[in-house]
Amino acid sequence: DQQVKQNSPSLSVQEGRISILNCDYTNSMFDYFLWYKKYPAEGPTFLISISSIKDKNEDGRFTVFLNKSAKHLSLHIVPSQPGDSAVYFCAARNYGGATNKLIFGTGTLLAVQP
Amino acid sequence: KAGVTQTPRYLIKTRGQQVTLSCSPISGHRSVSWYQQTPGQGLQFLFEYFSETQRNKGNFPGRFSGRQFSNSRSEMNVSTLELGDSALYLCASSPVGPGDSMNTEAFFGQGTRLTVV
Repeated sequence: DQQVKQNSPSLSVQEGRISILNCDYTNSMFDYFLWYKKYPAEGPTFLISISSIKDKNEDGRFTVFLNKSAKHLSLHIVPSQPGDSAVYFCAARNYGGATNKLIFGTGTLLAVQP
Repeated sequence: KAGVTQTPRYLIKTRGQQVTLSCSPISGHRSVSWYQQTPGQGLQFLFEYFSETQRNKGNFPGRFSGRQFSNSRSEMNVSTLELGDSALYLCASSPVGPGDSMNTEAFFGQGTRLTVV
């Protein structure tokens, strides 16, 4: 049972435009969400996170939006740069479960075309 | 401060053999988790250790095991390797313990690429 879903395996955008990556979840007990970026042959690197008590968090070119009623979050990258080309993973954590376990989506491959 | 270190980076093993992977967390981090990444499956949680105790385990067969030492370093072992065990194994460390109220990200190592032939 995939509790965190990234339904778009890939996304292609032009340099300078907005990239929007989507993520859906099913477990209403999730209360902390994270986005990681991963290059081939490297480990994931943390990008941005959001607590369930917020609906938006910004960090430079990256903004994460959370819609709890829809169990949906999205990552906006503006403007997109060729160096942003990587696989992006959405992850969720349930602090009520007394665990640091992260549940990951299957990832979205972003390609930013120069 | 050094990041999460995983050794070895690459490994080739034969079916039926066993393998041990090592992870050194960021200094001061006592929580270590392991994940398996295979194509199309994302990252699947294997286990979580804190203060030398396994706190959580994912849905993997008993051939997968792990442990954590008093210096927070962790190892995972896979016995009787199968072709399907070929994957990138990732270790992550966190400065907070399981159930801590502070929200913080997990920091990942570069992974060990295991190939079973």
